Amino acid sequence: NAGVTQTPKFQVLKTGQSMTLQCAQDMNHEYMSWYRQDPGMGLRLIHYSVGAGITDQGEVPNGYNVSRSTTEDFPLRLLSAAPSQTSVYFCASSYSTAGYTFGSGTRLTVV
Amino acid sequence: QKEVEQDPGPLSVPEGAIVSLNCTYSNSAFQYFMWYRQYSRKGPELLMYTYSSGNKEDGRFTAQVDKSSKYISLFIRDSQPSDSATYLCAMRGGTSYGKLTFGQGTILTVHP
Repeated sequence: NAGVTQTPKFQVLKTGQSMTLQCAQDMNHEYMSWYRQDPGMGLRLIHYSVGAGITDQGEVPNGYNVSRSTTEDFPLRLLSAAPSQTSVYFCASSYSTAGYTFGSGTRLTVV
Repeated sequence: QKEVEQDPGPLSVPEGAIVSLNCTYSNSAFQYFMWYRQYSRKGPELLMYTYSSGNKEDGRFTAQVDKSSKYISLFIRDSQPSDSATYLCAMRGGTSYGKLTFGQGTILTVHP
């Protein structure tokens, strides 16, 4: 099993550009989530999904969109990048009550 | 007030010391409690998982949950320099099991 795979690992965007962060898992997990991690702020939940076709907002959803058309994939879309979205983004997946398995992260810089 | 509070440290201890890391929480609906370890520039790695109150031991690591006090702890015995990392508590339960709520993380350094 590859676990949770995130691409790209690094990205630099200009303000106003859009992009999609990819996340795929091969463990048949029903739950998937996106977090951002900033210094001194810990991990903050952006969006999460409890199954294909079902998504919900987390703590900091503004400026981000998600969709879950398959069990395996949970892409995160930045609609119009802003410097405040410079962060490290983690995707994670789990069974219903188990701990989440995290990907290795995407380091995003918006200039 | 945050749902989960964790002292960010940093915490510095000598090799061989017993380390105690703690979190408090306010949401009584939380039922599943976890500790993650995160090395620099890496993703969080699940270290310990506990359901409801009680203790769980795994090698040098012991997790404790006291739901009556809304307090969880992680103890590391015989700490090693390789234990130097950020430790994050996390919990889930209540109206949506899909949400995992994290503490801020405690930075631990174990020096030889």
